[in-house]
Amino acid sequence: DVKVTQSSRYLVKRTGEKVFLECVQDMDHENMFWYRQDPGLGLRLIYFSYDVKMKEKGDIPEGYSVSREKKERFSLILESASTNQTSMYLCASSLSDRDGSDTQYFGPGTRLTVL
Amino acid sequence: GQNIDQPTEMTATEGAIVQINCTYQTSGFNGLFWYQQHAGEAPTFLSYNVLDGLEEKGRFSSFLSRSKGYSYLLLKELQMKDSASYLCAVPMDSNYQLIWGAGTKLIIKP
Repeated sequence: DVKVTQSSRYLVKRTGEKVFLECVQDMDHENMFWYRQDPGLGLRLIYFSYDVKMKEKGDIPEGYSVSREKKERFSLILESASTNQTSMYLCASSLSDRDGSDTQYFGPGTRLTVL
Repeated sequence: GQNIDQPTEMTATEGAIVQINCTYQTSGFNGLFWYQQHAGEAPTFLSYNVLDGLEEKGRFSSFLSRSKGYSYLLLKELQMKDSASYLCAVPMDSNYQLIWGAGTKLIIKP
């Protein structure tokens, strides 16, 4: 079975702090994704990566950056957390298809609260 | 533009059948995904349809009509544990990404 893990289930940070969210997958997947999910808005893509050191902006990249130094690990960074970044953050990975037809497997999510 | 529509919420009775619809508008088409998401948890894969027709998988079936830009998820013999949100998603053409519907929250009543 594919396993995607995230560093924390719950996280509370203060405005202005730098926040790191880590995601690790163990199935040698090429593609990795970071989403945020808010009530009524569904899943919104922040960034994705299709290879080591490669990254692409999603729909809402502002205020976020990412890092992928190793194939299995994809990190999301909030440079200076703000209250409007309070959300559920979901990491996902998929095998390799460029056309998006490979199933995405999700980690358990990190519920981030910024005070 | 590219868009997916699903009803926001549906209610059904334990033991009954429910059909959750999804309509989509995309420039290309590489299949359609259904995911289940329990409250506070991550989405989990249910089905992937590429060809027209009905695909059955136990109590869950998924239907696709590419000409109509339409899919539905059919849940039979509903159980309380089926209370969840059901997300419809379509790959963006040649772009690694998925277009996600906002999800349909299914409430099962005894």
